[in-house]
Amino acid sequence: AQSVTQPDIHITVSEGASLELRCNYSYGATPYLFWYVQSPGQGLQLLLKYFSGDTLVQGIKGFEAEFKRSQSSFNLRKPSVHWSDAAEYFCAVARASGGSYIPTFGRGTSLIVHP
Amino acid sequence: ETGVTQSPTHLIKTRGQQVTLRCSSQSGHNTVSWYQQALGQGPQFIFQYYREEENGRGNFPPRFSGLQFPNYSSELNVNALELDDSALYLCASSSPWDEQFFGPGTRLTVL
Repeated sequence: AQSVTQPDIHITVSEGASLELRCNYSYGATPYLFWYVQSPGQGLQLLLKYFSGDTLVQGIKGFEAEFKRSQSSFNLRKPSVHWSDAAEYFCAVARASGGSYIPTFGRGTSLIVHP
Repeated sequence: ETGVTQSPTHLIKTRGQQVTLRCSSQSGHNTVSWYQQALGQGPQFIFQYYREEENGRGNFPPRFSGLQFPNYSSELNVNALELDDSALYLCASSSPWDEQFFGPGTRLTVL
C-alpha cells in the first residue's frame, strides 16, 4: 500500500527566505508524485507533479520539487517566499487506476510566513 | 470555462440522518473523485467514478455511496451519519490521465 509522510506539521519562515517542505513516500512501483496547496476555505490546487524523466520538476508560483528515488523523497522548494504563500501544503503519491490516478495524501504542512 | 462546483457549502446534520452532497464537474471532464478531509488531516480517498461506473474505492464503509450522472456530475450519499463523519468533503474532476481539479468542498457537521 502506498503512503506519504510529511514530517513537519508547521513551518515558519520569514518573507523572502527560502523554503523546503519535506515529503517521503512509500510505494512499490514507479511513483506518481504531486504537491498541492490549500488556502483556507478553498479546495486543493496542483503546484506540480512528477511522473517520469527529469527529477527536478518546475511548478507554478515559483515552486520546484526534486524526486530522489534513493531517499524515497519528493521535497518542495521555493527560493524566496511571499506572504501569499502562507497555506497548507500536501504531498501525494498516486497509483494508476482505470484511466486515472488515485492519490494518497500526507497529513499536510502548514506554512506560516512572517513579514 | 466553469470550474468544479459543490453544493451545499455548509451543512449541519444530526447522528443517524442521511446526507447528499453534490458536485458539478469541470467542462470536458468525465472522471469524478470524492475525498473526506478531517480537521488537520490530508484528504482521504472515498471513491472515484469514470463514465458513471465506480472506478476505485478507498477504505470507507458501504454507508458511503455515490452516483455519477450522464452529464458527469456526481453525488455523494452518506447514510446513518456518525459524529466522525464531520469533515470537509472534496470533489475533484479530471480527464483521463490528467490532473484532478478540486472544488471548494462542502463542510459537514454532525451533531
